[in-house]
Amino acid sequence: DGGITQSPKYLFRKEGQNVTLSCEQNLNHDAMYWYRQDPGQGLRLIYYSQIVNDFQKGDIAEGYSVSREKKESFPLTVTSAQKNPTAFYLCASSRHSSGTVRQPQHFGDGTRLSIL
Amino acid sequence: DAKTTQPTSMDCAEGRAANLPCNHSTISGNEYVYWYRQIHSQGPQYIIHGLKNNETNEMASLIITEDRKSSTLILPHATLRDTAVYYCIVRVANDYKLSFGAGTTVTVRA
Repeated sequence: DGGITQSPKYLFRKEGQNVTLSCEQNLNHDAMYWYRQDPGQGLRLIYYSQIVNDFQKGDIAEGYSVSREKKESFPLTVTSAQKNPTAFYLCASSRHSSGTVRQPQHFGDGTRLSIL
Repeated sequence: DAKTTQPTSMDCAEGRAANLPCNHSTISGNEYVYWYRQIHSQGPQYIIHGLKNNETNEMASLIITEDRKSSTLILPHATLRDTAVYYCIVRVANDYKLSFGAGTTVTVRA
């Protein structure tokens, strides 16, 4: 079945460590996104990528880094510079939008990151 | 993006239609209305979207008023698995992000 796979589902990090969250999609979507969700709040965009080898910062990119070496994969690294990394991280993908039609985004089931 | 206003919560009886309202009185002519839902501890799930015509798919129907200032998502036969937070979102054409508000917590009761 086509979909978006995020792993692991739960992740624990020690203070000062970098950690990488995986996101893989087999939907043949061009665009991929990373969001952060804090308890009781909406989603905030961290980074997005419209095409391989290209990505742009979202609203809260500080302390995060991404790469887009393959169309199927968009890993997110939470660096030690991110002061409050505990959150629910969601990856999404969409077909490339054209004109004024914005294609819907499809989400994975998320990774819950906690600081030990 | 235009701001949306949704009720905080609503209950629905299993097997009955659930009608979820959304106000977006400042919507622009090129903004689409999207609906997503999020079941606890899962990623948001896309439901439906539309510009000005009513839309229907296998999950739901979307009714947009003629002036586009409000819309209603209809779940025709609610089941217990439809219990979730439902988000109404409007998006400008050149904005890649989805801006989720607080949404409506829908509880389907047996």
